[in-house]
Amino acid sequence: EIVLTQSPGTLSLSPGERATLSCRASQSVSSRYLTWYQQKPGQAPRLLIYGASSRATGIPDRFSGSGSGTEFTLTISRLEPEDFAVYYCQQYGTSPTFGPGTKVDIK
Amino acid sequence: QVQLQESGPGLVKPSETLSLTCTVSDVSVTSGSFYWSWIRQPPGKGLEWIGDISYTASTNYNPSLKSRVSISVDTSKNQFSLKLSSVTAADTAVYYCARLFYYYYYMDVWGKGTTVTVSS
Repeated sequence: EIVLTQSPGTLSLSPGERATLSCRASQSVSSRYLTWYQQKPGQAPRLLIYGASSRATGIPDRFSGSGSGTEFTLTISRLEPEDFAVYYCQQYGTSPTFGPGTKVDIK
Repeated sequence: QVQLQESGPGLVKPSETLSLTCTVSDVSVTSGSFYWSWIRQPPGKGLEWIGDISYTASTNYNPSLKSRVSISVDTSKNQFSLKLSSVTAADTAVYYCARLFYYYYYMDVWGKGTTVTVSS
């Protein structure tokens, strides 16, 4: 099973700041199978980025994804108030797994 | 607009079987590009993939749950279902169903989730 580690666990930032979230895999993951989701309290996860770097329909361009192999990054260029949430990465190798999440909260 | 809705008992006794159904609207479960997934989230914790199914009833299960899980699809009702046997308190969670785009293996449409508590 491929284990995903996300860092930091919590990121405290102010609106307008840049957020950089890391997702590290225990084995190499095909970029095609690396996905990012956003989850707000009491809501289902929302698809943000698929294929490591492709934005899902309706996702603002302040969200971007990058990386390959075992290291992937989600960047939010300028935080808006609605971006404060938990972000999960997910991979599909032999079996899908999610990372533990990074919480982006207001400083 | 594609919608998914989970339904089933909110309370299950230990050692019994948890049964949930996901009703899919505005798209057919027979759409060839998609699989249909179950994911759960224990209180205050992260997401755990349970398994998925194609419209041809081809299934994939989380190895850690495989001995207890069964996912099925009913194309006539446009639904798919989850059964999880021999439940314990550790199976208490919000259970989500989702549409899975298999080529990239992402879940693009999610139900709102249903809370299942395992307790006597």
